[in-house]
Amino acid sequence: QKEVEQNSGPLSVPEGAIASLNCTYSDRGSQSFFWYRQYSGKSPELIMFIYSNGDKEDGRFTAQLNKASQYVSLLIRDSQPSDSATYLCAVRSSWGKLQFGAGTQVVVTP
Amino acid sequence: DGGITQSPKYLFRKEGQNVTLSCEQNLNHDAMYWYRQDPGQGLRLIYYSQIVNDFQKGDIAEGYSVSREKKESFPLTVTSAQKNPTAFYLCASSTPIGLEAFFGQGTRLTVV
Repeated sequence: QKEVEQNSGPLSVPEGAIASLNCTYSDRGSQSFFWYRQYSGKSPELIMFIYSNGDKEDGRFTAQLNKASQYVSLLIRDSQPSDSATYLCAVRSSWGKLQFGAGTQVVVTP
Repeated sequence: DGGITQSPKYLFRKEGQNVTLSCEQNLNHDAMYWYRQDPGQGLRLIYYSQIVNDFQKGDIAEGYSVSREKKESFPLTVTSAQKNPTAFYLCASSTPIGLEAFFGQGTRLTVV
């Protein structure tokens, strides 16, 4: 079992719609959770981080965390063509190891 | 400017040669990480270090070695024992208390 799992996609989303990305993790002791965006050939950049159960909103992005279900998600509202990228879920364990999922490719279609 | 610098951006080596990738940060971060990314794949953890003079193996450490003699530096050596070294290598750093990791611009290594 992989430590962090994501659907690879691609996830095709019409412009203006909501993109929903999911991530599950195996280590129950994990402390913090991150979503990164990566454009082709570039290094990842942080979009959101979340530490507590519930929702966290930042502009068009909402991260949701459910530690009991070991599940973290990212919603992108009003999707724009510039949101087309690969989204990486990252999980930091209690001993500091930072693991990434394989990433979900999002394609926003005009 | 504070940040993480990886060098070089592109690196070509002949098969059988060892090569060292540089990673330097001036963010005063304690934790540093090395990842490998293959085309269309996510980031796989090679090594990580939470403090000077200490480091741990990640999921794919075989064929790689690291050192952490200074807080700001975490070089990665790709040895001849690594069977498929051609990849995009990313270095990151963070504080140890769970805040986000910042990435360098990456080194694209091609072994011919």
